[in-house]
Amino acid sequence: GQQLNQSPQSMFIQEGEDVSMNCTSSSIFNTWLWYKQDPGEGPVLLIALYKAGELTSNGRLTAQFGITRKDSFLNISASIPSDVGIYFCAGHGSGNTGKLIFGQGTTLQVKP
Amino acid sequence: ETGVTQTPRHLVMGMTNKKSLKCEQHLGHNAMYWYKQSAKKPLELMFVYSLEERVENNSVPSRFSPECPNSSHLFLHLHTLQPEDSALYLCASSHLQGPNSGNTIYFGEGSWLTVV
Repeated sequence: GQQLNQSPQSMFIQEGEDVSMNCTSSSIFNTWLWYKQDPGEGPVLLIALYKAGELTSNGRLTAQFGITRKDSFLNISASIPSDVGIYFCAGHGSGNTGKLIFGQGTTLQVKP
Repeated sequence: ETGVTQTPRHLVMGMTNKKSLKCEQHLGHNAMYWYKQSAKKPLELMFVYSLEERVENNSVPSRFSPECPNSSHLFLHLHTLQPEDSALYLCASSHLQGPNSGNTIYFGEGSWLTVV
């Protein structure tokens, strides 16, 4: 079945640093999504990507849909303490059941 | 506020109890989902309802019983659960447009379930 590998598993960075995380798939996806989850809350959608090569920004966040349609990355620039949380990538392949495949998550900690 | 509301936010139940989780979406979506999130595990899809019809059931034990009375409401009925069923249960919704169209799902805040 389809699998997503998300890396790194965790990051501990200094406030102000840039962050990069990525996901790779064993098969082609039509949609890539990036979510952030705060402790005790549901995941919140950050960025949605629908076309190969698409590069989209949301404030200090930038994500790209890889040309091969098998990968995506998320960058966070000038990190701040409230960026702490777990970031998930998710992808949707073909089929009309709406099934999303999720990565394992990247836990981000920011040191003030 | 994501437009997907879940109640209760926290639930503690015994193994012989019967309880239900409720989800309501205000986004005009045509698909709703239940996900299970356990510690240190990826999100696990449990059920998908598209236009009130169940289209996905990921080998979920029968002690979890979903119900989708209309496109805005989704329930997860729970009975004779086990302690290992303790987890965060997330409801989500989306607008499905076709097999090769993008599908963006929006999550509720989750219901924390503890089985004792």
